[in-house]
Amino acid sequence: KAGVTQTPRYLIKTRGQQVTLSCSPISGHRSVSWYQQTPGQGLQFLFEYFSETQRNKGNFPGRFSGRQFSNSRSEMNVSTLELGDSALYLCASSLAPDRGETQYFGPGTRLLVL
Amino acid sequence: GESVGLHLPTLSVQEGDNSIINCAYSNSASDYFIWYKQESGKGPQFIIDIRSNMDKRQGQRVTVLLNKTVKHLSLQIAATQPGDSAVYFCADLLGVPSGGGADGLTFGKGTHLIIQP
Repeated sequence: KAGVTQTPRYLIKTRGQQVTLSCSPISGHRSVSWYQQTPGQGLQFLFEYFSETQRNKGNFPGRFSGRQFSNSRSEMNVSTLELGDSALYLCASSLAPDRGETQYFGPGTRLLVL
Repeated sequence: GESVGLHLPTLSVQEGDNSIINCAYSNSASDYFIWYKQESGKGPQFIIDIRSNMDKRQGQRVTVLLNKTVKHLSLQIAATQPGDSAVYFCADLLGVPSGGGADGLTFGKGTHLIIQP
């Protein structure tokens, strides 16, 4: 069974631009979560989607948004990019929204904002 | 979320020795704990998990111990191999409210495990 895939793997943008990242979960997984990883802050939860609905959201500004499609694939969008948005963005999928369902991570998209 | 921390940013062990990576959590409502391994350039890889109603769980070469009294979690890796070199993260989830929902994991800062030949 294929793992979580994320595209693109690497991205360079400039301040003020916006970016869209894509995540395809493991087949059969309906929950998709997004995380930001930086050297300073570590791994931080952005939001989680299940059945095309955002169920939970971390402590990030409104510039960070996402959505989920009927096939469970998810996208996250960051508008008006700032230098501090440079990070590894990780997507994780799990079978169901119940707590304690193991989340499996993709390889991430490394975003560099210049 | 509440903080989940690891005691040491770096741990160096000899190949073949056992490794113990520690983690302290602060929220007594946490009821599910996971250890992830992250190799350079890759996403976190699930290693083992444990629920709060257990104090020990074993996998292949790995054991997780949970001490709820002192809010401490540890990962033991037996007979450490070069392929074990990675950053190890502990993560937790808070208690389940009604309605479910996969709340975000709260991650510690990570411990970089270095294997000496």
